[in-house]
Amino acid sequence: KAGVTQTPRYLIKTRGQQVTLSCSPISGHRSVSWYQQTPGQGLQFLFEYFSETQRNKGNFPGRFSGRQFSNSRSEMNVSTLELGDSALYLCASSLSQGGYGYTFGSGTRLTVV
Amino acid sequence: AQSVSQHNHHVILSEAASLELGCNYSYGGTVNLFWYVQYPGQHLQLLLKYFSGDPLVKGIKGFEAEFIKSKFSFNLRKPSVQWSDTAEYFCAVNVGHRDDKIIFGKGTRLHILP
Repeated sequence: KAGVTQTPRYLIKTRGQQVTLSCSPISGHRSVSWYQQTPGQGLQFLFEYFSETQRNKGNFPGRFSGRQFSNSRSEMNVSTLELGDSALYLCASSLSQGGYGYTFGSGTRLTVV
Repeated sequence: AQSVSQHNHHVILSEAASLELGCNYSYGGTVNLFWYVQYPGQHLQLLLKYFSGDPLVKGIKGFEAEFIKSKFSFNLRKPSVQWSDTAEYFCAVNVGHRDDKIIFGKGTRLHILP
């Protein structure tokens, strides 16, 4: 079966712009979680969606938002980009919330210049 | 707040050496524990997981981990590493109910010398 698909793979944006990242989970998976990965900080949890509802949220500013559609696909939006937002953004899907373990996508590499 | 600590940020070993990567978490209740691996240029993959039962968990590629509740630890081990084990390893914990988020450690970069 197809894995977790994230698009685009790479993005370059300038400060102040906004960006939308997309994630298509494995078929049948209803939970989608987003993480920010940076060198030295590891993976930091952004948010988790299940059945179109945000179930968990990490400690990121309100510029980071997301949503999930009825087909479980999810989007993440970052507004007013800052240089420090440069990172690999990972999406992970699972059958249900949290604890059953994730299947990760390859990520979207965002560079803010 | 719950946290996960990985003691070694960077480990260098020769092939055939034994490996142990430390992981400690801070939470006194029920936990689900994971080790993920990220090979160069690849996405994160699940190595092994512990939910309950036998505290010694065997995963893929000869890896195993032992859950020691009294020490809040879940160390990853492999008796004899190979060059292909070069990767970054992440310990992760999901606390309490299975509907909570998974918290990751900062990762350990493992470099195996051929």
